[in-house]
Amino acid sequence: EPEVTQTPSHQVTQMGQEVILRCVPISNHLYFYWYRQILGQKVEFLVSFYNNEISEKSEIFDDQFSVERPDGSNFTLKIRSTKLEDSAMYFCASSEEGYAAKNIQYFGAGTRLSVL
Amino acid sequence: KNEVEQSPQNLTAQEGEFITINCSYSVGISALHWLQQHPGGGIVSLFMLSSGKKKHGRLIATINIQEKHSSLHITASHPRDSAVYICAVRKSGNQFYFGTGTSLTVIP
Repeated sequence: EPEVTQTPSHQVTQMGQEVILRCVPISNHLYFYWYRQILGQKVEFLVSFYNNEISEKSEIFDDQFSVERPDGSNFTLKIRSTKLEDSAMYFCASSEEGYAAKNIQYFGAGTRLSVL
Repeated sequence: KNEVEQSPQNLTAQEGEFITINCSYSVGISALHWLQQHPGGGIVSLFMLSSGKKKHGRLIATINIQEKHSSLHITASHPRDSAVYICAVRKSGNQFYFGTGTSLTVIP
């Protein structure tokens, strides 16, 4: 069964460093998402991406964050200068379509980011 | 202010019991999702609803758009159903709002 894969599963970084979290969405999916979950808190939407551009972003997704689809398979989330409060589980998801009827999202297993 | 409220926050049930988890939302939505988060953190989509009712195995999800309310039911609960169940709503475009989740423990 096709799945969304995320690498690495755990990333440890020093405050101020740049990190890139990688995701390989399901191959025929067109819509891509990043979410984060701070330990013990609810999942929060970061950004959605379609047709090589951001379609929606939340208040959390400030200038420190960027997303890219550098090739036909990867979808990346970059945090330019990490802060302690960026420590969280980051989930990537993809969906076949963007409208309600076919917006079933498939989630990756997540990347745990620890900022020291 | 939470756009999505879930109840209960925690639920413990005996194996075989019928379980109901509720979700209320305060915004207009185009779709509502029920997700399952396993103890290891992985998230699985269970249902996406925009109206009515859906059933998959022992799971049933309903939504009442007028009342801005959805329920997730689990029939004949089993210990492997133990997980956090999350309600998420799609408000407009592709932005989602998540509830805080209901932690379910099913005891053998």
